[in-house]
Amino acid sequence: DVKVTQSSRYLVKRTGEKVFLECVQDMDHENMFWYRQDPGLGLRLIYFSYDVKMKEKGDIPEGYSVSREKKERFSLILESASTNQTSMYLCASSPGVFGSSGGMGTFFGQGTRLTVV
Amino acid sequence: GESVGLHLPTLSVQEGDNSIINCAYSNSASDYFIWYKQESGKGPQFIIDIRSNMDKRQGQRVTVLLNKTVKHLSLQIAATQPGDSAVYFCAEGNNFNKFYFGSGTKLNVKP
Repeated sequence: DVKVTQSSRYLVKRTGEKVFLECVQDMDHENMFWYRQDPGLGLRLIYFSYDVKMKEKGDIPEGYSVSREKKERFSLILESASTNQTSMYLCASSPGVFGSSGGMGTFFGQGTRLTVV
Repeated sequence: GESVGLHLPTLSVQEGDNSIINCAYSNSASDYFIWYKQESGKGPQFIIDIRSNMDKRQGQRVTVLLNKTVKHLSLQIAATQPGDSAVYFCAEGNNFNKFYFGSGTKLNVKP
């Protein structure tokens, strides 16, 4: 069974703290993604990576950075947490370029609910 | 960026009836579409996908229809059950599987 695992389900951090959200997938997928999910706004893409050490900005990268040192692990970093970063964060992975993916789709982790106080 | 939207934010159906959840997408270049189900407190769960070279695909109790002419996607759930109650998202994507998601439709199944 495919699995995307996020290290924490719930986190509470203080304003100004540096926050690390970790994600690991066991499917040998090339692509990994970080989204945030807010009521009424749906899922918005923060960053994605299509290979080790590669990263691309999504739609809302400001205030975030990412790290992908190994294929199976993709970390989201909040350099200096702010209250407007309180949200549900979802990690996802998918096979490579669509032409070779066989239509397998994108698989999500359970999410990390981050509260910044 | 591209926008993906849903016609109805909330849908209530009677148990045993069929459900139809609709989605409009804006990028005619998108070549891959997915439906996800998200239960409360959980991450989205892959339901079914369809490529742009198809107009219909069936799974277990679910059917996805794609109308590229009007850029419309629908998810049909047969014999809806209480366990189907959730928020359903459609997503469109292309190269590198970068997807854009709609805000979701909440499906309520009444016993």
